[in-house]
Amino acid sequence: EVQLAESGGGLVQPGWSLRLSCAASGFSFAGHAMHWVRQAPGKGLEWVSGISGNSDLIGYADSVKGRFIISRDNAKNSLYLQMNSLRAEDTALYYCAKVIKRGWFLSAFDVWGQGTMVTVAS
Amino acid sequence: QSALTQPRSVSGSPGQSVTISCTGTSSDVGGYTYVSWYQQHPRKAPKLMVYDVSERPSGAPDRFSGSKSGNTASLTISGLQAEDEADYYCCSYAGGYTVIFGGGTKLTVL
Repeated sequence: EVQLAESGGGLVQPGWSLRLSCAASGFSFAGHAMHWVRQAPGKGLEWVSGISGNSDLIGYADSVKGRFIISRDNAKNSLYLQMNSLRAEDTALYYCAKVIKRGWFLSAFDVWGQGTMVTVAS
Repeated sequence: QSALTQPRSVSGSPGQSVTISCTGTSSDVGGYTYVSWYQQHPRKAPKLMVYDVSERPSGAPDRFSGSKSGNTASLTISGLQAEDEADYYCCSYAGGYTVIFGGGTKLTVL
């Protein structure tokens, strides 16, 4: 069964850092681009960042560019999001998502994790 | 990177059809065929319903269909069922390895 499981969320103060992880199983992880999508409480979906299978293509939303870093370890079937200089507006449920088509940066997200909650507050 | 424009809410009776629009620009919806639609029930992860404008993934009912004209994409749900009541989001590739979502539409089945 194809599965994604996020971890690493928590409560942090503004300006702090946090590293999210996403463990993948049940598919050829290295062959698929992966993305992070977040959802603030009561709000809509917001794309955060994406990375190709071999890490040669990376993109970020303007709202996180320069603060967040996406990476992956194909040997460990894991995706990461290093979040620095966190702000209150980064408070959200963070999902990792798999791209449906092998080898494409984006077609659509066919598998989602259950999310990990990040709360930024003093 | 402004969100794609969707109606905040739509409604329909069981058995009817509803269409949700998603308007962007020539830099996103109008410029690529990578438009997808997601269904999200409360406290659940999103579920892919349509991808590449009009393709249906396995597991998505054939009552769900997608189309695009110019800078506007649409999701049509025919034969509405009670379980279709949810939030729906469109999504598009926006170039430069970036992605953009719509603001979301709440579907109410009357």
